[in-house]
Amino acid sequence: EAQVTQNPRYLITVTGKKLTVTCSQNMNHEYMSWYRQDPGLGLRQIYYSMNVEVTDKGDVPEGYKVSRKEKRNFPLILESPSPNQTSLYFCASGKLAGGSNEQFFGPGTRLTVL
Amino acid sequence: QKEVEQNSGPLSVPEGAIASLNCTYSDRVSQSFFWYRQYSGKSPELIMSIYSNGDKEDGRFTAQLNKASQYVSLLIRDSQPSDSATYLCAVGVRGTSYGKLTFGQGTILTVHP
Repeated sequence: EAQVTQNPRYLITVTGKKLTVTCSQNMNHEYMSWYRQDPGLGLRQIYYSMNVEVTDKGDVPEGYKVSRKEKRNFPLILESPSPNQTSLYFCASGKLAGGSNEQFFGPGTRLTVL
Repeated sequence: QKEVEQNSGPLSVPEGAIASLNCTYSDRVSQSFFWYRQYSGKSPELIMSIYSNGDKEDGRFTAQLNKASQYVSLLIRDSQPSDSATYLCAVGVRGTSYGKLTFGQGTILTVHP
């Protein structure tokens, strides 16, 4: 089954404790991206990757890191989480072709930072 | 002005009616436009994409793009209660090979029997 998976799905942590949210896709997509969704603010892009070893900032990259060492994986790293990073996070992947970028989203990770 | 704005909701329509969702964008050179549906507690799912001016139809859904007026709309014909969800408009930003997407804040649609 074609899918984007994220782990963990739910996470409660404390301020300053480094964490990684994993994202994996089995569709051989070049493109992957991370978003956060907050009430009243909609979906905001954190980072995206056009291919292996190619990453770029979205609208809200501060406090996050990413890496793309393999095509299928795109982990999101919070080196020192803070309460304002409490949010619902989505990973997405897409096949770039002819100027299109139709993305498929993972199930989401609900993160709470105390 | 926000880069991508959607008509404020919530929008309520009776079953069988046409639901009209609108989205305006500020970057005149944006080239790719998407509509996503998000059920409560679920992830967004792509329902329509449109890249050139005019209409694009897929079943009960029609996306309309007018680049001169910088708006994109989604029409849902014969609305069903199962269409009740939040609809997100997304616009591909120029100069980033469409890697950077900006989403609107979403419009909540309720279809009542």
